Amino acid sequence: DIQMTQSPSSLSASVGDRVTFTCRASQSISSYLNWYQQKVGRAPKLLIYAASSLQSGVPSRFSGSGSGTDFTLTISSLQPEDFATYYCQQSYSTPYTFGQGTKLEIK
Amino acid sequence: QVQLVQSGAEVKKPGASVKVSCKASGYTFTSYGINWVRQAPGQGLEWMGWISPYNGNTNYAQTVQGRVTMTTDTSTSTAYMELRSLRSDDTAVYYCARWFRDVVTANYYYYMDVWGQGTTVTVSS
Repeated sequence: DIQMTQSPSSLSASVGDRVTFTCRASQSISSYLNWYQQKVGRAPKLLIYAASSLQSGVPSRFSGSGSGTDFTLTISSLQPEDFATYYCQQSYSTPYTFGQGTKLEIK
Repeated sequence: QVQLVQSGAEVKKPGASVKVSCKASGYTFTSYGINWVRQAPGQGLEWMGWISPYNGNTNYAQTVQGRVTMTTDTSTSTAYMELRSLRSDDTAVYYCARWFRDVVTANYYYYMDVWGQGTTVTVSS
């Protein structure tokens, strides 16, 4: 199975900050990497697919990059509604594993 | 609009079975797979498996293999996930999600673009 490791596990930031999350795969997954945002008590929401493609309707302050084993999700200027938990997921091979998540908290 | 609507919360005793439904609307049901993902209280997301409504093909995670069966009813555009021999660590919110296929730079990519609202399953004696 491909292991997905996210760092950090949690992050404190302020509105307007630029933040970056990291996701590392245990083997190369090319660009088969998706990012989801989950707010408390809600279903996850797709943000980025194919490592860097922005899902329709997602604000342009979100961006993704990377290929192979190392990936990043960046929020260019944090908004109050962005405080949530972020998960990466590989779609390269089954089982389609998720990272353990990065919780973004208000500083 | 495209949506997935799941069945309501369940409370089960250890050893029992649960069957969660996920009704799709707003798109051609047989054109996209359905994934099942669960989330234990305070924990991350765990992929459980996938089913193709087109031909019934399935792929299950090893963690639930042998206890889970995923099916679909194309006449009602509904997917089902049955989990047997329930244990306390099966207590979780269970989500269904559409497995969308897209083409990016001439390659196929898959992602979960629409999610159900989640079904809470509590296993307790």
